[in-house]
Amino acid sequence: GENVEQHPSTLSVQEGDSAVIKCTYSDSASNYFPWYKQELGKRPQLIIDIRSNVGEKKDQRIAVTLNKTAKHFSLHITETQPEDSAVYFCAAENSGAGSYQLTFGKGTKLSVIP
Amino acid sequence: NAGVMQNPRHLVRRRGQEARLRCSPMKGHSHVYWYRQLPEEGLKFMVYLQKENIIDESGMPKERFSAEFPKEGPSILRIQQVVRGDSAAYFCASSPSGTPDGYTFGSGTRLTVV
Repeated sequence: GENVEQHPSTLSVQEGDSAVIKCTYSDSASNYFPWYKQELGKRPQLIIDIRSNVGEKKDQRIAVTLNKTAKHFSLHITETQPEDSAVYFCAAENSGAGSYQLTFGKGTKLSVIP
Repeated sequence: NAGVMQNPRHLVRRRGQEARLRCSPMKGHSHVYWYRQLPEEGLKFMVYLQKENIIDESGMPKERFSAEFPKEGPSILRIQQVVRGDSAAYFCASSPSGTPDGYTFGSGTRLTVV
């Protein structure tokens, strides 16, 4: 099955700096990679995603890069703001037994210091 | 559109009792996924259902856990004879197509077993 590793587990940055979170996956057949933001006690919310036919995708201050050969993908947040503080999860889609599941990383707790 | 509705939001059960978690998908969505999130961990896939059918239950423990999605009404995740290790947040996601790029997560049910 798919295995997703995520680093770092915690990240503190000064407001205005950039934050980078990295993930690796094991199943070369995976082709959909979403990133979720989860605030304390709330639901995971999709912030950006990328498919394997694309190497990079950007949405305002957030970007995701994908290297299929190396099986890793990264989340980049620029000009961080205090409201970016949350736990971020990467995930990879894997298909099995007729379903399309997501395998999640263990999360990165991002703290943006004002 | 009220989004994916889960209830109850918080559930406390004594060891040995039964827990019933409900998930009403978004209007027009006929695909439901259940995930479990242990403290400080990512979400882990449990089961995927379509109306009246369990499509993939490969992530669900074989004993004590069951799920259904009847023709009418919400999807139900049932945990019999709960143990302390069942304490977690349980999230469901619904999708119009069965693929993760259409996921919307509910707010989750936080189960505490005392």
